[in-house]
Amino acid sequence: SYVLTQPPSVSVAPGQTASITCGGNNIGSKSIHWYQQKPGQAPVLVVYDDSDRPSGIPERFSGSNSGNTATLTIGRVEAGDEADYYCQVWDSSSDDQVFGGGTKLTVL
Amino acid sequence: QVQLVQSGAEVKKPGASVKVSCKASGYTFTGYYIHWVRQAPGQGLEWMGWLNPASGATHYAQTFQGRVTMARDTSITTVYMELSGLISDDTAVYYCGRTVGGTRLWDCWGQGTLVTVSS
Repeated sequence: SYVLTQPPSVSVAPGQTASITCGGNNIGSKSIHWYQQKPGQAPVLVVYDDSDRPSGIPERFSGSNSGNTATLTIGRVEAGDEADYYCQVWDSSSDDQVFGGGTKLTVL
Repeated sequence: QVQLVQSGAEVKKPGASVKVSCKASGYTFTGYYIHWVRQAPGQGLEWMGWLNPASGATHYAQTFQGRVTMARDTSITTVYMELSGLISDDTAVYYCGRTVGGTRLWDCWGQGTLVTVSS
């Protein structure tokens, strides 16, 4: 089955840029989606189809996907961005949904 | 607006079954797949399977095959997820979610249902 690998944690100072990676075999050939989850809440879509943003999501959130790594980038990080972030793809060969293990973003 | 509202928290004994509901509103119920994921305390998201509300067809993650059943009632736009043979490791928050598009992104989530398995 397809596996997505994320770093457990990323730390960044306010106002700096945070990069969260998601690794997978030839992940660049798939469309990847990113979700933000704050404590006690359901996840929220922040980037879809590699680099598109849903309405209401700040432009500070962006994404890229190539080769074996996809990246969620959060510019000018704010305290309110502190959350868990998950990457997700649809594995068309198995028709399964696959989630990464999640990355905890800490704003110092 | 598009909304998924789940049933309330449950406490079950080991070996029992639990049935969680997910009521959809604000869109054409039969037009979008509903998926289920769960999240154990302090852990990540674990996908369980999907149901096609139009046909009733289902597809389950291999981890849960034989233990999970998903069904729907189109008259009340509700999807159900039943998990049997509960063990303590099944203690988790269970979420339903709607997927859209050819890339199956999750654009709407239920609020989550806490299922606690304890003797």
